Amino acid sequence: DAKTTQPPSMDCAEGRAANLPCNHSTISGNEYVYWYRQIHSQGPQYIIHGLKNNETNEMASLIITEDRKSSTLILPHATLRDTAVYYCIVRASSTGNQFYFGTGTSLTVIP
Amino acid sequence: KAGVTQTPRYLIKTRGQQVTLSCSPISGHRSVSWYQQTPGQGLQFLFEYFSETQRNKGNFPGRFSGRQFSNSRSEMNVSTLELGDSALYLCASSLRQPKGAGANVLTFGAGSRLTVL
Repeated sequence: DAKTTQPPSMDCAEGRAANLPCNHSTISGNEYVYWYRQIHSQGPQYIIHGLKNNETNEMASLIITEDRKSSTLILPHATLRDTAVYYCIVRASSTGNQFYFGTGTSLTVIP
Repeated sequence: KAGVTQTPRYLIKTRGQQVTLSCSPISGHRSVSWYQQTPGQGLQFLFEYFSETQRNKGNFPGRFSGRQFSNSRSEMNVSTLELGDSALYLCASSLRQPKGAGANVLTFGAGSRLTVL
């Protein structure tokens, strides 16, 4: 699996967009980018995933660069409930359910 | 649609005891994975099951074992508990079989928090 690099922590003002970067410079052509988040002491929650194209759902948008070496998760209007640890994971479809979560980015939304 | 259900949510054991944790996946999901989360090591993969067969195993000692039943429910067992086994144990289910085509979205349960004294 490709290694991912995320900043350890970020702050965002409530109501503003939160942009969480992820570097995955060694990503292979068949590897998906997944984002999960974990609110304290709860199970990780799936947010979004993508392969090549940008993706949007009711929770967030995922922007993947053309060379696929980095991506950005965008929470368009951050709320206090978005305070969590966000994990960027790169994973090939052929490699089962063994996800490597890393240390993630601790996002704090400030009132 | 019910989510992934893990029981018990909290439990306290003493060193040397053994523990069994249960996971009921989302209806229709046949893949079940287990993860351990500790403050020092983060989220670590334990094992995954599909169709009652263990398909992959993480780097954990043999004291950690699991199984899956015909209804896709899964249990994991830890024998001879050590203090370092204190952790949040998370179960995740997915619709896609391991190594199948396409994206693989895991849905996690709330976890079972084990404290070993």
